[in-house]
Parts: sequence; structure tokens; C-alpha cells
Amino acid sequence: SAVISQKPSRDICQRGTSLTIQCQVDSQVTMMFWYRQQPGQSLTLIATANQGSEATYESGFVIDKFPISRPNLTFSTLTVSNMSPEDSSIYLCSVETSAVGEQYFGPGTRLTVT
Amino acid sequence: AQSVTQLDSQVPVFEEAPVELRCNYSSSVSVYLFWYVQYPNQGLQLLLKYLSGSTLVKGINGFEAEFNKSQTSFHLRKPSVHISDTAEYFCAVRYRDDKIIFGKGTRLHILP
Repeated sequence: SAVISQKPSRDICQRGTSLTIQCQVDSQVTMMFWYRQQPGQSLTLIATANQGSEATYESGFVIDKFPISRPNLTFSTLTVSNMSPEDSSIYLCSVETSAVGEQYFGPGTRLTVT
Repeated sequence: AQSVTQLDSQVPVFEEAPVELRCNYSSSVSVYLFWYVQYPNQGLQLLLKYLSGSTLVKGINGFEAEFNKSQTSFHLRKPSVHISDTAEYFCAVRYRDDKIIFGKGTRLHILP
């Protein structure tokens, strides 16, 4: 298993600003993922972040809006840029361990854009 | 396209009664199957998983699920629920060599 922490746990931001969310894992992992969970919705994968390579973004998400860094095997950041109220959501970091397909999730960052 | 369907968005059930949360997926090719639970204001926690072998899988907190390949289903069950089981439950499927797909979730309401 893996223990994942995220910072901040929640934030209220103004339209047009940016917020960087941090994800820290207690062990080295190859694959990290960023998800968005809008109110009452399921999880939507934003991107996959592997250490040493560029993040791979899913359809509908672009690097200019959601830049991701993965400087080492235990840490990643997701930035939500030029925010609008539509970006209000919970952002979740997850990692995949050696067990096939099994993911562990952080507690999430609850973002409200006003 | 691959998909996961959770047939019920909300399920109310009385405390100590049994519950079944339904999940169907779109393809009968080799898959890995998961159930995750999300308690209020928390992240997702793995409840149980099916990778191979026995079709009946036991997880944490007294939950179990049965993989049915012919019906492409992976329903979650608990014989007697507790108020602490109030949460959102997500079924997830991973098709070999592909990313995980999550269902829309089922909110379990435990009635006193």
C-alpha cells in the first residue's frame, strides 16, 4: 500500500488566479495520476505523471491549463491555471503500486473558485 | 468504448439489513475489477479487488463481491450494514494494458 498526502486540503480562490496542489507519497512509485471529481460526479482522469517524462494528458485537458511536475519518485504537483468557477472541484492524486491496476488515493484538495 | 455502469445512484437501506450495489462493465475481455469507498470529505479507499482466481472476493469491513464473467458484472454485497457504512461506493474496471475506468458511484444511505 501507499500513504499519500495532499496540500492544501482546501482553498477558495479568485477567478483568474492559479493554484498549485502538492502530492507526497511515502514510498517511491513510478506512476502517479491526477483526477478531478466534480460535485456528485465520478472521477475524471486529468493526466498520468511518470517521473522523468512529460505528463500524458487525457482528452479535454491541456498542459497550459493543468501543468504538472514530477521531479522525483515520491512527489508531484498539479497547477490549475487561470481559474474559473467551472474549475471548482475536488482534485485527487493517486499512485499505482506494484500490484497490477491497484491505485491508492490521497485525501483530495477541495477547490472553490469565486 | 469501454465503460462501467453503476445502476443505482443512491441506495437507501435500513441498518443491519443486507445490501447489494450493482456494477456492470462493457466487455468480457480480461479485466481487473475494483470497488472503492469514499467516506464523506475523504479520498478513495480500496475496498476489494478481483485480479484472477476465485470469483468471490472478500474485502474490508465485511464487504464481498462476485465476479460474473458471463453477465459482465461485479456486484458488491454486505449481509448486514452499519451506520458507519454510509459513503459513496465506486466500481472500477481496468482492461489489460489500459487505464482504470470508474463508474459514476452509488451513494449508500443507512437508515436508522
